[in-house]
Amino acid sequence: GESVGLHLPTLSVQEGDNSIINCAYSNSASDYFIWYKQESGKGPQFIIDIRSNMDKRQGQRVTVLLNKTVKHLSLQIAATQPGDSAVYFCAEEFGANSKLTFGKGITLSVRP
Amino acid sequence: DVKVTQSSRYLVKRTGEKVFLECVQDMDHENMFWYRQDPGLGLRLIYFSYDVKMKEKGDIPEGYSVSREKKERFSLILESASTNQTSMYLCASQGDTGELFFGEGSRLTVL
Repeated sequence: GESVGLHLPTLSVQEGDNSIINCAYSNSASDYFIWYKQESGKGPQFIIDIRSNMDKRQGQRVTVLLNKTVKHLSLQIAATQPGDSAVYFCAEEFGANSKLTFGKGITLSVRP
Repeated sequence: DVKVTQSSRYLVKRTGEKVFLECVQDMDHENMFWYRQDPGLGLRLIYFSYDVKMKEKGDIPEGYSVSREKKERFSLILESASTNQTSMYLCASQGDTGELFFGEGSRLTVL
């Protein structure tokens, strides 16, 4: 079946470094992708999204890259800060108003 | 900003009790969802609704039911709580672009 997965369960980075969180998806027909951040004890928060007609989208300190050839999604965080420590989820959607399928999540830990 | 409010952040119930988890959104969204989140399993969809009085089963509906009497409110019901329903429950509403807006979660412990 189709699935969304993350390569690593945890990622530890030094404060100030750039972080790259990777995600593989298997539904080649998915046309919408989202990254969520979930801090301890809170619900997931939207970070950035991208549609399949794009390969890159930038936000404030974050960039999402989409490689449809290899079905790979990544989230880049520039100048990682302690407040970036959280669990990050990727999610994919196929078709309008469809259900989002979530990956299992990866923990980002920022070392001072 | 969109606000999704879950009425209870923490609940402790006994096996066999009926449990109501309430969720309200203030953005007039038509689509609402209930997920449960467990370590190592990620977010799993329990039920969703695309309109008032409409409901659809998600991936793990067994042991749950829902109610959508008003557009802004989507309730999750555990008719007879069991210990394996101890979990974090997340409600979400969906915007026009497909993005989900989540509540803060309801952590349920069933003893």
